[in-house]
Parts: sequence; C-alpha cells; structure tokens
Amino acid sequence: GQQVMQIPQYQHVQEGEDFTTYCNSSTTLSNIQWYKQRPGGHPVFLIQLVKSGEVKKQKRLTFQFGEAKKNSSLHITATQTTDVGTYFCAASIQGAQKLVFGQGTRLTINP
Amino acid sequence: GAVVSQHPSRVICKSGTSVKIECRSLDFQATTMFWYRQFPKKSLMLMATSNEGSKATYEQGVEKDKFLINHASLTLSTLTVTSAHPEDSSFYICSARYYAGPVYNEQFFGPGTRLTVL
Repeated sequence: GQQVMQIPQYQHVQEGEDFTTYCNSSTTLSNIQWYKQRPGGHPVFLIQLVKSGEVKKQKRLTFQFGEAKKNSSLHITATQTTDVGTYFCAASIQGAQKLVFGQGTRLTINP
Repeated sequence: GAVVSQHPSRVICKSGTSVKIECRSLDFQATTMFWYRQFPKKSLMLMATSNEGSKATYEQGVEKDKFLINHASLTLSTLTVTSAHPEDSSFYICSARYYAGPVYNEQFFGPGTRLTVL
C-alpha cells in the first residue's frame, strides 16, 4: 500500500499567495526528497532532507523535515506563475535505494 | 550536472508488437537505474530497479515477462514492453542514481517516453 501520503491533491491560488504541500508516513523515513514536474515534463530534483527537524530554503521555497522523520512540507511564499506544476515528495524507507513517491500536489496559479 | 536521456520520446505502435525504450546516463556511470510508469495526472509508480550486470528487481504486480529490463552497461538500461496492448499505453520514465554527487540517493530523471498502443 501507499507508504507516503501527500496532501492536498490539488491547489489553486492567486499569484502572490502562499502554497504548502504536506507529506506524511507511518514509517520513519531515512530521507525525503522533493521533485517538481512541470506540465508535460519530467520530475526535476529540488532538494533532499536527511536530518530530524531539518529546514532548508531555496529562495521562496522552504522545506521542512519533521522531528520524528515521518513528515515533511514544502512551502512556497508569494507564488509566481513559474511555480506551476506538480510537486512530489519521495522517500527512502529503511535505507532502501528505491524511492516511494507521494501522490503529488498539482499547483495551478491564477495570474 | 548529471544528464539522463531517453529514446524514443514518443512511440505509437499496433497491439501485439514489442517496443524497446532506452535510458542512458550521458555524463556519469549509473550502476542503478529505475523504471517508472506514470498515468495522466497521477504519481510515479516504480516498476523495477535495474542493476548493471544483474537481473532487475520488479515491484509487486509488475509482470517481468511483460516488461523486460536489461542493464548491460553502466550507462544504458532498456525496457522492452512485449506484446503491447492498449492498457500498456502510458508515460514511462527512467531515472539513474547518481552516486558521485553530494546528495545521497539523488535520482536524475530522463525526459520520459509516451507510449500509445492502438
């Protein structure tokens, strides 16, 4: 069954509004990665979080890894039309080399 | 950065034919490659893990005789969809694990192959 749950499935915002997507797992994660897939494109790696409670920032994007390493979030401040796409979290479980992907959150933006 | 190519990008075939998709790591050696399948507006579903020089490891529910994987070199893995049927129509994406980068287990994705079986 699905080991990584991601919500929401869809999010529509006005340009300039903030956006957050969440990933949760019942299993402790070795690490979590975030990918962005533009419409018609392929997933592109954004970042990896490894440490408990880790927070990383990339310009307007803030990534967090929960203290228990069972959840993560991606927050975008003041969205722009270039942020449109589907954001996936992907987790490495029990140190396995394969990644388990969340369902993705599809972000659309009203300019 | 690490680049992964995939060929063909798009293929249309008749039901019953076999289709081969190539995945290449262009500027690094990839001992491990992964094959995913993605339905429209859905997530990536891992089909199999391909290790150079050994048999692929298939995920539960994926028919190994239907989806043949060969990882003959450190830069090439192939996926052959045998006797394709319309239900096999999908977006197939490969990725390669990049060991030499600063991020453990970072995967670089190919551009994908859109398969349409008539």
